[in-house]
Amino acid sequence: NAGVTQTPKFQVLKTGQSMTLQCAQDMNHNSMYWYRQDPGMGLRLIYYSASEGTTDKGEVPNGYNVSRLNKREFSLRLESAAPSQTSVYFCASSPRTESYEQYFGPGTRLTVT
Amino acid sequence: AQSVTQPDIHITVSEGASLELRCNYSYGATPYLFWYVQSPGQGLQLLLKYFSGDTLVQGIKGFEAEFKRSQSSFNLRKPSVHWSDAAEYFCAVMYTGTASKLTFGTGTRLQVTL
Repeated sequence: NAGVTQTPKFQVLKTGQSMTLQCAQDMNHNSMYWYRQDPGMGLRLIYYSASEGTTDKGEVPNGYNVSRLNKREFSLRLESAAPSQTSVYFCASSPRTESYEQYFGPGTRLTVT
Repeated sequence: AQSVTQPDIHITVSEGASLELRCNYSYGATPYLFWYVQSPGQGLQLLLKYFSGDTLVQGIKGFEAEFKRSQSSFNLRKPSVHWSDAAEYFCAVMYTGTASKLTFGTGTRLQVTL
C-alpha cells in the first residue's frame, strides 16, 4: 500500500506558466482534499472532493482548479502561476465512513519566480 | 466559522521534561478533534483523535490529549519528551456535515534540547 502519492515533489515555475499537481490514493477512500501550507498559517483547504464526481471550493480556491478524475485521482491545476502561489501543497484522502481521519501525501514544494 | 487557535508558535523543552501544547477551538457544536505531527520536509502524521466518549485519548508515540468542553480545549501532552519529538504539531477540528473538512491551527514548533 503506497497510501497517498503526489507528483512532482519539487517544481519551479515562472510567473504565468501553468502546471498540474497529481495526487492518487490506493485506499479506496471516498473523499480527497488539496491544502496549501505557508509559514505561520498552518494548512488551508484549497478544494475538496467529497465523493467521486463532485468538487467544491475550500478556504483559498482562487487561482486553482481541480479534477476528480476517478475515485483514486484528484489533480490540482494552476492555470497561470503567481508568486503568491509559492507554497507546499498537500493532498489528503479520507474514507468518511467509520473514520474521519485524513491521510496525507508527502507534499509538493512549488516555487513561482 | 470554525477556527482553531494554537497560542504557542514555538516551544523549547529539555529532553525528559514534560510537554503540553495548547489548542482551543471555537464553535458551538461538538467537534471532532485531531492532533497531527509534521517532521521537517515530511507530510502530516496523525497522533490522536477525539470523536466522543472518554475525554482523555491516547495516541501514538506516548502522546495523549484531553478534551475539555467547558474550556473549548484539546491540549496535547507527553510526560517525557524525547529528542525525536522535535517537529511541528498541528491541532485540527472537523464538524459533521462539513464533508469531513479539517480546519487547522497555525501550528506549534517544538524544539528539544539535550
